[in-house]
Amino acid sequence: AQSVTQPDIHITVSEGASLELRCNYSYGATPYLFWYVQSPGQGLQLLLKYFSGDTLVQGIKGFEAEFKRSQSSFNLRKPSVHWSDAAEYFCAVASYSSASKIIFGSGTRLSIRP
Amino acid sequence: GAVVSQHPSRVICKSGTSVKIECRSLDFQATTMFWYRQFPKQSLMLMATSNEGSKATYEQGVEKDKFLINHASLTLSTLTVTSAHPEDSSFYICSAFVGGETDTQYFGPGTRLTVL
Repeated sequence: AQSVTQPDIHITVSEGASLELRCNYSYGATPYLFWYVQSPGQGLQLLLKYFSGDTLVQGIKGFEAEFKRSQSSFNLRKPSVHWSDAAEYFCAVASYSSASKIIFGSGTRLSIRP
Repeated sequence: GAVVSQHPSRVICKSGTSVKIECRSLDFQATTMFWYRQFPKQSLMLMATSNEGSKATYEQGVEKDKFLINHASLTLSTLTVTSAHPEDSSFYICSAFVGGETDTQYFGPGTRLTVL
């Protein structure tokens, strides 16, 4: 069965510092991988997705993620965080496309220290 | 980008009543919509997949007679929580799927249901 693990429940980083949010998945074949961000009062917004090809994926708002098959990981990174990046981040996996069932991780809450 | 709206954003109802939540794709048509439930400080759990013009497919453990889903048009899906009870209080989120090269689910802002 597919599953997604986000080991960090809450992370606090200083504004301007680099960020890495961890995500590990369990899936038999090559999965479709996503990172979403959820801000209060707003719907989940897709940051980036990986289906195939280049394992380093660029997303919106300066985020990127790297698919590492050997580690079953899809960690999200940003070189310099802004106060507006404070939100809940979800890693997710699907079996063949966004039309299929998406399994979400438990989320990582990001706080930004001024 | 594609916008999905939900109405109402918040609803409070008495135990035993039914509540309808609407999910609309505002600037695109969606043959497939999804309904999720999110408990406080937890992840989203898929409840059902809704295809326009056909019966919804429910995930294991989700009572289809309690959570009625109707997807009557390409821009509207509704979730009706029937005979609501306090344990049904939750955050309900819908999404609409856009296929082709986009291949993305666009999520609504969610509806906070509180059952007294």
